Amino acid sequence: DTGVSQNPRHKITKRGQNVTFRCDPISEHNRLYWYRQTLGQGPEFLTYFQNEAQLEKSRLLSDRFSAERPKGSFSTLEIQRTEQGDSAMYLCASSAGGADLFNYGYTFGSGTRLTVV
Amino acid sequence: AQKITQTQPGMFVQEKEAVTLDCTYDTSDQSYGLFWYKQPSSGEMIFLIYQGSYDEQNATEGRYSLNFQKARKSANLVISASQLGDSAMYFCAMSRRGGAQKLVFGQGTRLTINP
Repeated sequence: DTGVSQNPRHKITKRGQNVTFRCDPISEHNRLYWYRQTLGQGPEFLTYFQNEAQLEKSRLLSDRFSAERPKGSFSTLEIQRTEQGDSAMYLCASSAGGADLFNYGYTFGSGTRLTVV
Repeated sequence: AQKITQTQPGMFVQEKEAVTLDCTYDTSDQSYGLFWYKQPSSGEMIFLIYQGSYDEQNATEGRYSLNFQKARKSANLVISASQLGDSAMYFCAMSRRGGAQKLVFGQGTRLTINP
């Protein structure tokens, strides 16, 4: 397994367009997280899946944002009607949860950098 | 609510010197974990070290050690014998042991190692 994969690495879109990002976690990890990181800041939690169930969403996740994890494998994050304030790095992370989280931490992907022009 | 504070926006250190990156936290939870991550310019977050709230000994991982002072709510990262490749952003983060185990991050410290 080569780790957490995110595509695309970069996305430039015009304001008002919809964008979708994909995350492929480590196959044996049942937990998947999305974070958003703006320039000069630490990542902020967006949402969490355990298997295919979306169990927690941040207030940051407005109704323009939707995330899915069909069949508990890959996940997608869609932003509708993008705004300039959506420009950020979107990071995906996965973990086996439980004690493994504390032994090995999360495994993060390299992120998708979104620029809204 | 949990909060992480990193008060050093930037640190400059000579190669081979030791460096301490500060981290204080606030939580009402009794059981939690503290993490340090390294983020090079390429963007990926690299897990460095973990400390559990009930661990009595400070965590160590190669050149990294975590100076955990529970009463002071601090979890400083110590990097011994710094190398040029250590130049990166460093983030302190914490998580509850139960539930979603989502990470709450600080604002980070940019470490620059000078030759």
